[in-house]
Amino acid sequence: KQEVTQIPAALSVPEGENLVLNCSFTDSAIYNLQWFRQDPGKGLTSLLLIQSSQREQTSGRLNASLDKSSGRSTLYIAASQPGDSATYLCAAPNSGGGADGLTFGKGTHLIIQP
Amino acid sequence: GAVVSQHPSWVICKSGTSVKIECRSLDFQATTMFWYRQFPKQSLMLMATSNEGSKATYEQGVEKDKFLINHASLTLSTLTVTSAHPEDSSFYICSAPDSRSGNTIYFGEGSWLTVV
Repeated sequence: KQEVTQIPAALSVPEGENLVLNCSFTDSAIYNLQWFRQDPGKGLTSLLLIQSSQREQTSGRLNASLDKSSGRSTLYIAASQPGDSATYLCAAPNSGGGADGLTFGKGTHLIIQP
Repeated sequence: GAVVSQHPSWVICKSGTSVKIECRSLDFQATTMFWYRQFPKQSLMLMATSNEGSKATYEQGVEKDKFLINHASLTLSTLTVTSAHPEDSSFYICSAPDSRSGNTIYFGEGSWLTVV
């Protein structure tokens, strides 16, 4: 069964810093991997979806990479801002492309200090 | 992107009553929908897979008689929490894959359930 681990569990950094969030998964036979953002008391906001054929995906200040062979993905946030404060979740399909649902990591709780 | 809508966003119910949460795919058809639950400070956990026209598939440890799932049409799945108790208080969120975009998975807004 797919297992997803995220490190660190929490991170607090000053505004402007570049930072990396890590995600590892056990079953590498996946077609894609997704990163989400969750604000307190809110639902999920999809940030980036990386297909297995891609090595990375970029959206604005966010860049996510995927290395299936090592079972790892990273989310890079450039020039962090207080508005980036949230919990970031990594999710990998339970099988293939997600026909059996997703397994989420426990998230990285990020605080950007003004 | 595709839109998945959940209703209600917030619900408070008395212990022992039942509450229904709806998940709709607004602009695409979904033969499969997924229901997740998130307890405070925990991650999202898959509860069950809702299948249009057939029985739902439940994850280990999820009581199918307590969490009734009905996928009556290609755009609607419902989750009914029966005889709710305070320990069922949680964040429930659904998702559906859109076959038009390579089965990209879209999530609803989520529903906060508080049982008092």
